[in-house]
Amino acid sequence: EAGVVQSPRYKIIEKKQPVAFWCNPISGHNTLYWYLQNLGQGPELLIRYENEEAVDDSQLPKDRFSAERLKGVDSTLKIQPAELGDSAVYLCASSRRLAGGWTGELFFGEGSRLTVL
Amino acid sequence: ELKVEQNPLFLSMQEGKNYTIYCNYSTTSDRLYWYRQDPGKSLESLFVLLSNGAVKQEGRLMASLDTKARLSTLHITAAVHDLSATYFCAVDKEDFGNEKLTFGTGTRLTIIP
Repeated sequence: EAGVVQSPRYKIIEKKQPVAFWCNPISGHNTLYWYLQNLGQGPELLIRYENEEAVDDSQLPKDRFSAERLKGVDSTLKIQPAELGDSAVYLCASSRRLAGGWTGELFFGEGSRLTVL
Repeated sequence: ELKVEQNPLFLSMQEGKNYTIYCNYSTTSDRLYWYRQDPGKSLESLFVLLSNGAVKQEGRLMASLDTKARLSTLHITAAVHDLSATYFCAVDKEDFGNEKLTFGTGTRLTIIP
């Protein structure tokens, strides 16, 4: 079974430029997450999707960040314009809601490392 | 707001020794997870602990959960170099219909030959 696939793995841009990250979750996983991981820190949730619906985007800085999950499968995370402080690893994860309602363990992609100069 | 604290943040230990990583969290929780992350790699799920008193073991790693104390431990037995990595605990809490998975800051473990 293929894991969570993310691209690009690395991206270097100048501040004020736009950037987009793509995620393909594990087949059959209806829940998709975008996490931000700063160096030496644990991941922090940006947004969570249940199928096509963003059910928790309270931590997403909506002035410059946007995300979409068309058709409830792949997702993109966009930053426009990027700032120096956005340099981090952006992790995508997916999970499958199990009987009883709980989400089940998350499976993470390898992440997209963003450097803003 | 749910807070998850791990200690120690850094741990350097010799091969063959035993040690424990602690994960404390601030409010009642539904589930607790342990993940491993190698440098530049993704997070790999190690254990899912679902109830008070739960204990799970895989090789040289054993995780336990005490929901009354709001504490989980990850015990390493007879450490080997391959266990060098950063270990994260994460606490899952239902909050007004939304599940929120909050991670600790991680424990960077280095096993010295």
